[in-house]
Amino acid sequence: EAGVAQSPRYKIIEKRQSVAFWCNPISGHATLYWYQQILGQGPKLLIQFQNNGVVDDSQLPKDRFSAERLKGVDSTLKIQPAKLEDSAVYLCASSVTGKAQYFGPGTRLTVL
Amino acid sequence: AQSVTQPDIHITVSEGASLELRCNYSYGATPYLFWYVQSPGQGLQLLLKYFSGDTLVQGIKGFEAEFKRSQSSFNLRKPSVHWSDAAEYFCASNNAGNMLTFGGGTRLMVKP
Repeated sequence: EAGVAQSPRYKIIEKRQSVAFWCNPISGHATLYWYQQILGQGPKLLIQFQNNGVVDDSQLPKDRFSAERLKGVDSTLKIQPAKLEDSAVYLCASSVTGKAQYFGPGTRLTVL
Repeated sequence: AQSVTQPDIHITVSEGASLELRCNYSYGATPYLFWYVQSPGQGLQLLLKYFSGDTLVQGIKGFEAEFKRSQSSFNLRKPSVHWSDAAEYFCASNNAGNMLTFGGGTRLMVKP
């Protein structure tokens, strides 16, 4: 069974530029999550989708971050404009509702 | 609000020695509990999970964890550590809403 796929694996941008990350969850997983993991910390949930609807985006900085999950499968997370403090690893995870979450390899973002 | 605490930021053990990583959670009801491992530059891999039933849970790679309600703990153990176990370990819990709360992580180093 294929795992959670993410791309790109690495991205370097300058502050005020925009960036987008893509995630393809495990087939059949209705729930998809985006996490931000700052160096030395545990992951922090940014947004949770159930199919193509948002369940929880309370910790998403909506002035600069946006996410969508069209057709209830793939998802894209965008940052516009990026700030230095957005440097982190962005992790995507998916799950069958109510069960364990499985994580992708992450995208390491560096903002200069 | 629920929280997860991992009291040990760093732990060093000798190869072949036993290992115990501590995790305490704060939640009124019995949460779902997880241990994940993260190698450098990688995503999080699920080691084991506890939902209900037997309080001693077996996971992959020879790890096990024991849920102790009276101590609000879910400690991870391994009888004999291998050099390849060096990584960062995260304990996490979630409520019925599926939002995972992570501890700060414990970095495990293995001495030859």
